[in-house]
Amino acid sequence: AQSVAQPEDQVNVAEGNPLTVKCTYSVSGNPYLFWYVQYPNRGLQFLLKYITGDNLVKGSYGFEAEFNKSQTSFHLKKPSALVSDSALYFCAVSSRSNDYKLSFGAGTTVTVRA
Amino acid sequence: NAGVTQTPKFQVLKTGQSMTLQCAQDMNHEYMSWYRQDPGMGLRLIHYSVGAGITDQGEVPNGYNVSRSTTEDFPLRLLSAAPSQTSVYFCASSYSVKNNEQFFGPGTRLTVL
Repeated sequence: AQSVAQPEDQVNVAEGNPLTVKCTYSVSGNPYLFWYVQYPNRGLQFLLKYITGDNLVKGSYGFEAEFNKSQTSFHLKKPSALVSDSALYFCAVSSRSNDYKLSFGAGTTVTVRA
Repeated sequence: NAGVTQTPKFQVLKTGQSMTLQCAQDMNHEYMSWYRQDPGMGLRLIHYSVGAGITDQGEVPNGYNVSRSTTEDFPLRLLSAAPSQTSVYFCASSYSVKNNEQFFGPGTRLTVL
């Protein structure tokens, strides 16, 4: 079985400060890791993914994430947060052993204050 | 491209009623899926399809049916609605089953009384 944990329900940061949203995963075999963002009353939007290669992945809107195999983590980061980054963020994992079906974390609500 | 479209946006049902949630995509994607989103639980996979004529169950399939007669359409049927099916439902599609850079529809908010 595969699973994703997002240990923080909420993250609050001031605009201009670094933003980190944590994610750890459990999977058999090699993971495919994803981050999605959901703005109020909208569907999810893809931010970035890690399949293989460089552990640091860059995505949309200035976000990046670092794959750490030994810690089974895939934390999302942004060097300087914007008020417009306030949203619900989901980490997700898939794997060949689970027919590439996505499993999502419970989500982390990010609030960036001006 | 319209992307992934879903209808209706909102629906209220009484217990025992049936209905179909519609989903269509115009990107010629092979892979389509249905999720439900409940507070504090993230998204859970209900059913998915890797191509026309092929469907399979996800994590929470009970009480739901799907079919995939065309590449574009992937309707979700609730056979006999129950209050436990009150949720927000999202349809998603991607180019292939391995490429999970999924495109999501705007969602259907369903309330079962």
